[in-house]
Amino acid sequence: SQQGEEDPQALSIQEGENATMNCSYKTSINNLQWYRQNSGRGLVHLILIRSNEREKHSGRLRVTLDTSKKSSSLLITASRAADTASYFCATDATSGGSNYKLTFGKGTLLTVNP
Amino acid sequence: KAGVTQTPRYLIKTRGQQVTLSCSPISGHRSVSWYQQTPGQGLQFLFEYFSETQRNKGNFPGRFSGRQFSNSRSEMNVSTLELGDSALYLCASRRQANTGELFFGEGSRLTVL
Repeated sequence: SQQGEEDPQALSIQEGENATMNCSYKTSINNLQWYRQNSGRGLVHLILIRSNEREKHSGRLRVTLDTSKKSSSLLITASRAADTASYFCATDATSGGSNYKLTFGKGTLLTVNP
Repeated sequence: KAGVTQTPRYLIKTRGQQVTLSCSPISGHRSVSWYQQTPGQGLQFLFEYFSETQRNKGNFPGRFSGRQFSNSRSEMNVSTLELGDSALYLCASRRQANTGELFFGEGSRLTVL
């Protein structure tokens, strides 16, 4: 079952605009990660935010985490056509002692129009 | 350094056959995870191996199995293939289990006819 759920499922914007994607999850987490996937390719790690962090930046990316609401957002500023991809949040939660898995949502498909 | 390498990249099988997929992790990475990606279910966790031991397993039937070798390379096997097994199978590695970012390969796209 999915731990994280992204919203919206699809987002279409113009180049230069900002894109915001949201992720909600159900259980307590150790950290939350965002990944990007170009069509039919492997995923690429973008950023990791720990449960005791509230905000993190990396280049044009800004991620926030609200553990009280069990939600995170990914903001891409000044978007480019090359940002067109699917974006996934992944929650890192320990399940049953040392058992651990990174669980992905279904993703947001971002289209940036030139 | 070289990234995660998955072979084969594409393959076509028929129902009832079996398939073995291979994954070579980044040098120095001892953890290998496998995911199945389909349009309907998204990314589903299959299993994670660390130091030749399966550390965790997802909710897949016993037809799905895997193993890891002493050089950290991993294989996954699907027996008695069903149409619903058609998917992109992604392998990911990281230095340690239980923590950190995953580095993904380009995937093996399996089509079952």
